[in-house]
Amino acid sequence: DVKVTQSSRYLVKRTGEKVFLECVQDMDHENMFWYRQDPGLGLRLIYFSYDVKMKEKGDIPEGYSVSREKKERFSLILESASTSQTSMYLCASSLLEGADTQYFGPGTRLTVL
Amino acid sequence: GEDVEQSLFLSVREGDSSVINCTYTDSSSTYLYWYKQEPGAGLQLLTYIFSNMDMKQDQRLTVLLNKKDKHLSLRIADTQTGDSAIYFCAVANQAGTALIFGKGTTLSVSS
Repeated sequence: DVKVTQSSRYLVKRTGEKVFLECVQDMDHENMFWYRQDPGLGLRLIYFSYDVKMKEKGDIPEGYSVSREKKERFSLILESASTSQTSMYLCASSLLEGADTQYFGPGTRLTVL
Repeated sequence: GEDVEQSLFLSVREGDSSVINCTYTDSSSTYLYWYKQEPGAGLQLLTYIFSNMDMKQDQRLTVLLNKKDKHLSLRIADTQTGDSAIYFCAVANQAGTALIFGKGTTLSVSS
């Protein structure tokens, strides 16, 4: 079974802090994704990566950056957290590029005070 | 633009059938997906249907695909309280470069 893990289930940070969300997959998948999920808005794609050291902007990249130094790990960085970034963050991975089946981690509920 | 629409809420009684509908505008999907999200958890792949199929049955789940009308549905037979969750449909965009998710249908099952 594909396993996608995220470093924290719940996180509370203060406005202006730098926040790191980590995601690790154990199935040698090429592609990894970061989404945020908000009530009534569904899933919105923040960034994705099709290869190590490669990144592509999704629909809402503003205020976020990402890092993929190793194939299995994809990090989401909030350079200066704001209250508007309070959300559920979901990481996913897929084997093939494009619209392949995505497997999700358990999510990180981030609260920015 | 490309879009995937779902109704936001569905409420059923335990033992009844549930039907969750999804319509999409454009898709080049080889597979069309249904995901389930339980409270506080990530999305779990529930089932999928190959684009050249009309129907797929998997125990209590039946997926129907009408490509002409761009309509996908998920039927859950004998719905149980454990089926209470948010259900997302997902299809490929027209270019085949990404999955587009609907906003999710919250299924509430009362006993």
